Amino acid sequence: DQQVKQNSPSLSVQEGRISILNCDYTNSMFDYFLWYKKYPAEGPTFLISISSIKDKNEDGRFTVFLNKSAKHLSLHIVPSQPGDSAVYFCAAPNRGTSYGKLTFGQGTILTVHP
Amino acid sequence: DTAVSQTPKYLVTQMGNDKSIKCEQNLGHDTMYWYKQDSKKFLKIMFSYNNKELIINETVPNRFSPKSPDKAHLNLHINSLELGDSAVYFCASSQLQDSGPQHFGDGTRLSIL
Repeated sequence: DQQVKQNSPSLSVQEGRISILNCDYTNSMFDYFLWYKKYPAEGPTFLISISSIKDKNEDGRFTVFLNKSAKHLSLHIVPSQPGDSAVYFCAAPNRGTSYGKLTFGQGTILTVHP
Repeated sequence: DTAVSQTPKYLVTQMGNDKSIKCEQNLGHDTMYWYKQDSKKFLKIMFSYNNKELIINETVPNRFSPKSPDKAHLNLHINSLELGDSAVYFCASSQLQDSGPQHFGDGTRLSIL
């Protein structure tokens, strides 16, 4: 059962434009969400997070929006830069008995063209 | 300075062999993890250790045995390697066991011939 889903395997945008990466979840117990960025041959790097008590969190060019009623979150990158080209994963920790267990989506490959 | 380091980066071996992957973190974190990224690119947790104690043990064959000699190290030993074990294995660590971002190593690509 895939509790975190990223339904778009890839996204291509022009430099300077907005990139919007989407993530849906099914587990209503999730109350904290993280976005990770991954370059080839490297490990995932933490990008930004959001708690369920908020509906928006911003950090520079990166903003994450959370819609709890729709069980949906999105990552906005404005303006997009070629260096943002990477795989983006959304993840949520399971705060039940499995402390620290992060459930990941399958990732979205973002390509930003110069 | 590398925060979470794994060795080796690549591991190519024959079916049936036993191999180990080492992981060390210099962040002073209490909790360490092993994840497996399969051919479909899903990252799935295998184990979690908090202060050298096993916290999470997902449905992983008992051919996989984690060992934590101290809280800065979490090694993964795999016995009787099978073709299906081919994957990228990531080590990670975090300050708190149920919140806070996890910091990942660069992965070990294991290929079984």
